[in-house]
Amino acid sequence: KNEVEQSPQNLTAQEGEFITINCSYSVGISALHWLQQHPGGGIVSLFMLSSGKKKHGRLIATINIQEKHSSLHITASHPRDSAVYICAVRAGAQKLVFGQGTRLTINP
Amino acid sequence: DTAVSQTPKYLVTQMGNDKSIKCEQNLGHDTMYWYKQDSKKFLKIMFSYNNKELIINETVPNRFSPKSPDKAHLNLHINSLELGDSAVYFCASSQDLRGRAFFGQGTRLTVV
Repeated sequence: KNEVEQSPQNLTAQEGEFITINCSYSVGISALHWLQQHPGGGIVSLFMLSSGKKKHGRLIATINIQEKHSSLHITASHPRDSAVYICAVRAGAQKLVFGQGTRLTINP
Repeated sequence: DTAVSQTPKYLVTQMGNDKSIKCEQNLGHDTMYWYKQDSKKFLKIMFSYNNKELIINETVPNRFSPKSPDKAHLNLHINSLELGDSAVYFCASSQDLRGRAFFGQGTRLTVV
């Protein structure tokens, strides 16, 4: 079992829908990252958080340290949000451990 | 300007060859990484350098040798390439060992 599990693995929704992607982890962490990998392959860091909630535009990330769980929300989803979203945890101070990714497709 | 840049973007080579992938960051970061993304799109760390010092070597074959001539560069040299080395390799950097990671655009290596 991977130390970082994401759900769902694949998600298809209609434009405008509210999207939630979940990430659970089983190790002690110093921070959690949400990454976006575009269809072309490039990876962009969306958030780094260690507690509470962060918001950037239509994206919201939350983390519950006690429950070892984080969620990424997208409000008013758009086809350009279609990408693979990857959760990664910094285990200790040294390395990132990645989830398997969630492939999101937003249809117009 | 690209913050983390890798070259080449695509690399096709025959089994047994030796090849290098270069990575440079202009962010002034202390820490750099190499990650491998396999055919199932799963990312896994290979190496981490902090201030030119090797911090992490995640059970990577000896055929893979990172070289950090200075804090802004972390190159990956691969000897005796094998079919299983085919993957996308990502370089990344962060301010320090705890910071947010910035990724290069990836190098797609195909070994034939």
